[in-house]
Amino acid sequence: GAVVSQHPSRVICKSGTSVKIECRSLDFQATTMFWYRQFPKKSLMLMATSNEGSKATYEQGVEKDKFLINHASLTLSTLTVTSAHPEDSSFYICSARAPGQGNSYEQYFGPGTRLTVT
Amino acid sequence: AQSVAQPEDQVNVAEGNPLTVKCTYSVSGNPYLFWYVQYPNRGLQFLLKYITGDNLVKGSYGFEAEFNKSQTSFHLKKPSALVSDSALYFCAVRDIGAGGYQKVTFGTGTKLQVIP
Repeated sequence: GAVVSQHPSRVICKSGTSVKIECRSLDFQATTMFWYRQFPKKSLMLMATSNEGSKATYEQGVEKDKFLINHASLTLSTLTVTSAHPEDSSFYICSARAPGQGNSYEQYFGPGTRLTVT
Repeated sequence: AQSVAQPEDQVNVAEGNPLTVKCTYSVSGNPYLFWYVQYPNRGLQFLLKYITGDNLVKGSYGFEAEFNKSQTSFHLKKPSALVSDSALYFCAVRDIGAGGYQKVTFGTGTKLQVIP
């Protein structure tokens, strides 16, 4: 149980275009989903917290207009990278918390999406 | 903000030997600590957590971690390393994000290389 999927696993896009990444919780309802960006030297940076039916909360320094997050349902959150630039190339990972976990704060991670902007 | 530090970028250990991956924490209040593992080109997998109770926490794949309050440490350990344990390991701590939402803050990661 507690499986999170991401689509696509890899995407290549041209500079200036937009790309959408989907994150789905397959066997549970996720009221909260998280979007991370992993840099080449390993560090995992939280970009935003996404709550179903409300606006995402972005971490300091993350451009809201560039990284659009939509949590339209309890099983789906999307990240759209708008007007992509080569420096947006990275590994994007989503995670989700299952309800009823109380203070455990375990997160279930998707397999990640490798974005390459040419 | 809460934080964790992983002082080693990489740890090499021979197969069959015990392994330790270090993590220290800085928190206000009671720490909620986690270890995650990431295999190449994969998402993170939960290994274990400490919230309260016994200082020695047992997790998945034979891993355990020892919570040490006086040393503010939460080192990950395994008695006998396997080649398949080679991966990237992240220590993490419960934190509060922008807007007051609960979140998890990760360390910079430690690459574990188990040598056959």
